[in-house]
Amino acid sequence: RKEVEQDPGPFNVPEGATVAFNCTYSNSASQSFFWYRQDCRKEPKLLMSVYSSGNEDGRFTAQLNRASQYISLLIRDSKLSDSATYLCVVGGSYNFNKFYFGSGTKLNVKP
Amino acid sequence: NAGVTQTPKFQVLKTGQSMTLQCAQDMNHEYMSWYRQDPGMGLRLIHYSVGAGITDQGEVPNGYNVSRSTTEDFPLRLLSAAPSQTSVYFCASSFAGGLRNTGELFFGEGSRLTVL
Repeated sequence: RKEVEQDPGPFNVPEGATVAFNCTYSNSASQSFFWYRQDCRKEPKLLMSVYSSGNEDGRFTAQLNRASQYISLLIRDSKLSDSATYLCVVGGSYNFNKFYFGSGTKLNVKP
Repeated sequence: NAGVTQTPKFQVLKTGQSMTLQCAQDMNHEYMSWYRQDPGMGLRLIHYSVGAGITDQGEVPNGYNVSRSTTEDFPLRLLSAAPSQTSVYFCASSFAGGLRNTGELFFGEGSRLTVL
């Protein structure tokens, strides 16, 4: 079983739409959670950390549900520039040096 | 600011050949790591290091060696290349102390390796 699972998509949405991605993780003892963004044929870059209380960064909102072991990312008022693959990342439970990446969810924002 | 520099960006090998992927960072990061990215698999950790002289295995270490003789450099060696090692390889670094909290790994631009 994969450590982190994501719907690969693609999610095709019009500009201005709200879109949400979820990912699930298998290790209930995991301690840290993040969303990364990866543009086509580029390196991944940190989008935001995910805290238990939920957190927001502009149009982006991340939520963590420990009981159900899933993480969500909500993007409001989608822009063309949001088109990318979004990677869910979970830090190791006992070894904080090991990160587990989901395979990513592809988002296409159309004009 | 160079950040994390990987070389080469592209490489084609024949089965059985050996090669080294180079990674260097100029941010004085203690933590360095190597990932491979394959379609549908996400990034998988190969090896990592938390400082000079210290290395450890990740999820998929077989067929790869690493060493960390300096803070700046973390080369990845393929001992005898196999077609299953065809992938995109990313080197990433961070400050070890804050990795858990910030989660920010700084990635190189990737090295695309094809093994025939």
